[in-house]
Amino acid sequence: ILNVEQSPQSLHVQEGDSTNFTCSFPSSNFYALHWYRWETAKSPEALFVMTLNGDEKKKGRISATLNTKEGYSYLYIKGSQPEDSATYLCALILTGGGNKLTFGTGTQLKVEL
Amino acid sequence: ETGVTQTPRHLVMGMTNKKSLKCEQHLGHNAMYWYKQSAKKPLELMFVYSLEERVENNSVPSRFSPECPNSSHLFLHLHTLQPEDSALYLCASSQAFQAPNYGYTFGSGTRLTVV
Repeated sequence: ILNVEQSPQSLHVQEGDSTNFTCSFPSSNFYALHWYRWETAKSPEALFVMTLNGDEKKKGRISATLNTKEGYSYLYIKGSQPEDSATYLCALILTGGGNKLTFGTGTQLKVEL
Repeated sequence: ETGVTQTPRHLVMGMTNKKSLKCEQHLGHNAMYWYKQSAKKPLELMFVYSLEERVENNSVPSRFSPECPNSSHLFLHLHTLQPEDSALYLCASSQAFQAPNYGYTFGSGTRLTVV
């Protein structure tokens, strides 16, 4: 069984705070890591696809880093806003597995005024 | 709208009913997926279709039967379900099954309740 772990499970922050969460995964047979943002009652939305060790990607106030040797990725949100409230999912693709994602359980973020 | 449309949004069915979930995409994607999300569990892959051929069947019980008549449409036929099958069923598509550098585009899901 492939384990993709996300921590923390949930997080409450104040508007303007910066925050980060972790995705841990087995480092063998790594091919790619995806991050998704899932707002309640909407569809999960792709944020980043990361493939190379040391990759850093950025989209507005959100950024992500990848360490394939030690098997983790961090997602950072700078200056959190209420509209950032969502569940953030990471998902792993292994080599030779095609575009088949194994998801973590997600980090639920709530940004309060 | 993401470009992946799922119907219905909500479905309540009895254990002896037969129903179908529908997913449609006009993004030109060649791969389509069914995922299931049960409470407190991660999204679980059920089926993958690539160019209308099933390439993955993730040990799903036969009471779930997928169908992909063309690259734009994907169905999940349901019959004699159990209450534990109640979950959110998400459809997704991607550029190609052999192109893992592209993210998925998801539909909004069908919330299924089996009574």
